Amino acid sequence: GENVEQHPSTLSVQEGDSAVIKCTYSDSASNYFPWYKQELGKRPQLIIDIRSNVGEKKDQRIAVTLNKTAKHFSLHITETQPEDSAVYFCAASKGNTPLVFGKGTRLSVIA
Amino acid sequence: GAVVSQHPSWVICKSGTSVKIECRSLDFQATTMFWYRQFPKQSLMLMATSNEGSKATYEQGVEKDKFLINHASLTLSTLTVTSAHPEDSSFYICSAPGTSGFPEQYFGPGTRLTVT
Repeated sequence: GENVEQHPSTLSVQEGDSAVIKCTYSDSASNYFPWYKQELGKRPQLIIDIRSNVGEKKDQRIAVTLNKTAKHFSLHITETQPEDSAVYFCAASKGNTPLVFGKGTRLSVIA
Repeated sequence: GAVVSQHPSWVICKSGTSVKIECRSLDFQATTMFWYRQFPKQSLMLMATSNEGSKATYEQGVEKDKFLINHASLTLSTLTVTSAHPEDSSFYICSAPGTSGFPEQYFGPGTRLTVT
């Protein structure tokens, strides 16, 4: 089955700097790669996603890149703000199949 | 659109008792729902796939006789934790795929279960 690896597990950045989180996946049939932000005790919140027919997607300060050949995808957050501090999860699926999550990255943005 | 609710949002029960968690799709029909479990400071792990009108599919290592899943209608799936023990204390979250053909899944708000 699918296996998703996520790095780093913790990340501290100064406010205004960029943050990058990387994930790799094992199943070449996976075609949907969402990123979630989760605050303590709450449901995961979708922040951006990308499908396998696209190499890059951007939404304001957030961007995701996908390299299908290498089977890895990355989340980029620019101009980080304290409210970006949370746990971020990457995931992979084949359409409407269950999501397989990475282990998460705890991002701390230091003011 | 595409709202999923869960009830209760939190529950405390005594060891040995059973707890039922409901997951509802409020504005769409969900023939499939997924149940995840999240222990503190860990990731979400799939427990089972709930299918309307048929038996649930459980992931390896998840006891189907302990975690009873019923998907009796197109908008409701229930997870019953039977004979709960403290090690079952966790955050349980359901999700449902949308119906538009897009792969996005919609998560319920989760249920915090504490077994004393």
